[in-house]
Amino acid sequence: DTAVSQTPKYLVTQMGNDKSIKCEQNLGHDTMYWYKQDSKKFLKIMFSYNNKELIINETVPNRFSPKSPDKAHLNLHINSLELGDSAVYFCASSQWTGGLEAFFGQGTRLTVV
Amino acid sequence: DQQVKQNSPSLSVQEGRISILNCDYTNSMFDYFLWYKKYPAEGPTFLISISSIKDKNEDGRFTVFLNKSAKHLSLHIVPSQPGDSAVYFCAASATDKLIFGTGTRLQVFP
Repeated sequence: DTAVSQTPKYLVTQMGNDKSIKCEQNLGHDTMYWYKQDSKKFLKIMFSYNNKELIINETVPNRFSPKSPDKAHLNLHINSLELGDSAVYFCASSQWTGGLEAFFGQGTRLTVV
Repeated sequence: DQQVKQNSPSLSVQEGRISILNCDYTNSMFDYFLWYKKYPAEGPTFLISISSIKDKNEDGRFTVFLNKSAKHLSLHIVPSQPGDSAVYFCAASATDKLIFGTGTRLQVFP
């Protein structure tokens, strides 16, 4: 029974398209996150939500819009995809804001062509 | 501005020996440090953590040491096992978010 699950696992799309990545956690955690791991392997936080409320927005382009319909879900929608958006995106959750001992999903490898 | 640095991209250790993974940080406001382990095609999994008020934390084969004056922490794995082969990320927390290093790939060979 997966604790943090995200779909799809792989996503290949053309420049200019709009795509979404879904994330769900069944741990009962209050806080969820989106991280981006780029080609240089830097793993950086993009957003965090606490009980559906945006807490952190780390200078991410407006083309990226997280949506949290409830505290168990945090989806990431990306408009007008660019080549530089190619990366692995990880969803994570933790009991409280602070990211300590966060549980990560398996990642979504996004490739923009 | 890379606040958490893992200067060794890779490390190769023989099974049964000690593995030592290092991490340096620049922000003195960090108050909690964590190590995550990542296998290919999986997300990072939490391994061990240490508060800034301590200098050592041990959990089975894994021990994390913190040297605040040097802004340095290390993860010791003793004895190393082939299943420990993975990428290890150091992370630091200042209140509300984790800052990750770029990882060290550990390979444990027989």
